[in-house]
Amino acid sequence: EDQVTQSPEALRLQEGESSSLNCSYTVSGLRGLFWYRQDPGKGPEFLFTLYSAGEEKEKERLKATLTKKESFLHITAPKPEDSATYLCAVQDSGYALNFGKGTSLLVTP
Amino acid sequence: DGGITQSPKYLFRKEGQNVTLSCEQNLNHDAMYWYRQDPGQGLRLIYYSQIVNDFQKGDIAEGYSVSREKKESFPLTVTSAQKNPTAFYLCASSMGTGYQAFFGQGTRLTVV
Repeated sequence: EDQVTQSPEALRLQEGESSSLNCSYTVSGLRGLFWYRQDPGKGPEFLFTLYSAGEEKEKERLKATLTKKESFLHITAPKPEDSATYLCAVQDSGYALNFGKGTSLLVTP
Repeated sequence: DGGITQSPKYLFRKEGQNVTLSCEQNLNHDAMYWYRQDPGQGLRLIYYSQIVNDFQKGDIAEGYSVSREKKESFPLTVTSAQKNPTAFYLCASSMGTGYQAFFGQGTRLTVV
């Protein structure tokens, strides 16, 4: 059975303190790995799609990377507005996204 | 603006009642999905549809029903058979396999 595990469950950073979130996965034939940001009471907002090992994507202070077993979301010099829950999802030969439980990030001034 | 519209934002249901959550998209996407989100559980798939007039059960379909009569609409009915319906419900759409899904703003359902 496909599994997506995100760590840590929660992370508290000071403004400017860089860190990484982890998403490990086991799927039979990866069709895509997706990162989302979710604010409280809102729907997830799409960030990145990664398709193959070695691929990297960047957007402002965020950088996503992919290996054959895991993906990292690197946050460089975070600001308080980066506080949110970050969700990882994978798609295999099926038709829907399989989500991890998310990492709740809090960035304090 | 293109996007996915879920309504209502908040919904209260009495025990024994069926309720229907609306989901409309104007992105011309073929695929649509319903997820349920509970605290600490992540998103769990209820139903998905790859094309009009066709849909498949997800991991937690018991107590729910859907229809896909139009490409842009995918309503979800929470029936009285769903024993624990209080949750945050999210609708999404995508171009298909391998493409990112775009989400609506969710409907929070509470049983009173």
